Amino acid sequence: GQSLEQPSEVTAVEGAIVQINCTYQTSGFYGLSWYQQHDGGAPTFLSYNALDGLEETGRFSSFLSRSDSYGYLLLQELQMKDSASYFCSHTGKLIFGQGTTLQVKP
Amino acid sequence: GAVVSQHPSRVICKSGTSVKIECRSLDFQATTMFWYRQFPKQSLMLMATSNEGSKATYEQGVEKDKFLINHASLTLSTLTVTSAHPEDSSFYICSAGLGRSDTQYFGPGTRLTVL
Repeated sequence: GQSLEQPSEVTAVEGAIVQINCTYQTSGFYGLSWYQQHDGGAPTFLSYNALDGLEETGRFSSFLSRSDSYGYLLLQELQMKDSASYFCSHTGKLIFGQGTTLQVKP
Repeated sequence: GAVVSQHPSRVICKSGTSVKIECRSLDFQATTMFWYRQFPKQSLMLMATSNEGSKATYEQGVEKDKFLINHASLTLSTLTVTSAHPEDSSFYICSAGLGRSDTQYFGPGTRLTVL
């Protein structure tokens, strides 16, 4: 089948670093995208990996290993406003993982 | 960046009525738009691909006669939920990009409540 697996919840404190993992099983893989969704809002694009390696965008970075069918989103210098749900997505298939709820505590 | 709008943001209707949701790309032309449904605390589920000038492509399990999609122009797609029932209550979100493999820009979503 085609699916993406990610942890359901992650908790961290302000200023810390957190990594949200995503493993996938899918055919016709184009790349892995990451989206942030605050409660009641729409998803917003964070990052995209088509090739192996690390993509850095400010405090957010994303990593992909195609050979391991694995990727992660890395959030640094956590802020309270980062509390949200984070989804990995198979770019092209438009299949989303179940989402990881990140709670940032003071 | 690309901006996608949706209208209405929230709608409450009686069971059996039809509801139309509009999705507009404000600063770019989108030959393809996508419609999703999201239940509380769940992920986004792709419902259909809206193609300008042609019929929509529906995902498996989505009733095309119940969820009517029209892509009248390069900037507008509409989703009509026909004969809505309480189980259709959900958060409906559209997205647009240059294609399926492109970064998706999401509209703000429409929360539908069917009484």
